[in-house]
Amino acid sequence: DTAVSQTPKYLVTQMGNDKSIKCEQNLGHDTMYWYKQDSKKFLKIMFSYNNKELIINETVPNRFSPKSPDKAHLNLHINSLELGDSAVYFCASSQEDEKLFFGSGTQLSVL
Amino acid sequence: QKEVEQDPGPLSVPEGAIVSLNCTYSNSAFQYFMWYRQYSRKGPELLMYTYSSGNKEDGRFTAQVDKSSKYISLFIRDSQPSDSATYLCASLRSNQFYFGTGTSLTVIP
Repeated sequence: DTAVSQTPKYLVTQMGNDKSIKCEQNLGHDTMYWYKQDSKKFLKIMFSYNNKELIINETVPNRFSPKSPDKAHLNLHINSLELGDSAVYFCASSQEDEKLFFGSGTQLSVL
Repeated sequence: QKEVEQDPGPLSVPEGAIVSLNCTYSNSAFQYFMWYRQYSRKGPELLMYTYSSGNKEDGRFTAQVDKSSKYISLFIRDSQPSDSATYLCASLRSNQFYFGTGTSLTVIP
């Protein structure tokens, strides 16, 4: 019954690898987001999709590519992982840009 | 300058104390204001949501917005050890959410 679910919860990988994080929401929301949270707890928007259409694309390396197969799913694929990519990545969703609901996060560690 | 500024703390208080958490924002176009609570290794969860100046109360929590001074506050009465978490303020403008850096709160039994 989790509203916003993302997998995996933990991801440990080597530099240079490619990995994906999946996100699904069952709230019927139109907008989904990816946020990156650094070690100091600062949440930075990466991408936002509304009804499968990209509407926010902050300054993020093009190694990061979001994909939205339908409005309930927003996946994040990362190519050629670097040490600086280590962080917690949160998926979130909202309806009409009001209250934001977060998933439980994916702790990415790049070794 | 960040759009939303928040004192990172950490803040440590004894159980039963009144806690005051504060943020300022720079753009008067901000329309909605939120407080999120984030427990360790969990996602942020929405605690309070308001769109007007004044106070909004929910149990032991009161959110206060002063648009004239661009100041938002969260008060926690009778704080409990279970309130120990990071609290993030956020504002919404032009379809984008802006977050403060979070204040880490520890309530000591």
